Amino acid sequence: GAVVSQHPSRVICKSGTSVKIECRSLDFQATTMFWYRQFPKQSLMLMATSNEGSKATYEQGVEKDKFLINHASLTLSTLTVTSAHPEDSSFYICSARVPTTGNTDTQYFGPGTRLTVL
Amino acid sequence: QKEVEQNSGPLSVPEGAIASLNCTYSDRGSQSFFWYRQYSGKSPELIMFIYSNGDKEDGRFTAQLNKASQYVSLLIRDSQPSDSATYLCAVLNDYKLSFGAGTTVTVRA
Repeated sequence: GAVVSQHPSRVICKSGTSVKIECRSLDFQATTMFWYRQFPKQSLMLMATSNEGSKATYEQGVEKDKFLINHASLTLSTLTVTSAHPEDSSFYICSARVPTTGNTDTQYFGPGTRLTVL
Repeated sequence: QKEVEQNSGPLSVPEGAIASLNCTYSDRGSQSFFWYRQYSGKSPELIMFIYSNGDKEDGRFTAQLNKASQYVSLLIRDSQPSDSATYLCAVLNDYKLSFGAGTTVTVRA
């Protein structure tokens, strides 16, 4: 299967600072990547769709000025949490879209980044 | 109304038994259906996907899809302690995945 990496795996920061998370597709080119957030005991919630060379598409209720997404190349998307606050503490997971046989496509997930804002 | 619903857990099965997981979805236009496994503190791992009515088998896993009933299931045969995890059902619409809340499975040795 396709391999997706994320960095850092864990970050602790002070309230008010910004944190950048990188998502890379290691063995394939990903024109589309996705960013999810998962709170404890809850399922994954899609935050935004990141398309290479264009602006990200945000889901309803997600602040685009707070969660900055850049997809500058076919193998790298970044999520920057600006002016982080304790309520932003969560598990952030990226995925990459991979076309699959049968006219469908599949998403492969990165290992996730656990963000803790003090 | 939730788009994807899974049977509430947790589900506890003895080692060697069959674990049966169910999922229903609300959008009849949904195209493909996925089962992911998520261990505690880890990200989801793809188990298998299905997009045609019927059964699809991969090793100890069998996915079943019934589009008329808007129902998809996952059977885990010969359950092992290593299968203990949360299983997420996901539905693809317009290249986006919608996830169910997950069913936690515990396999008792």
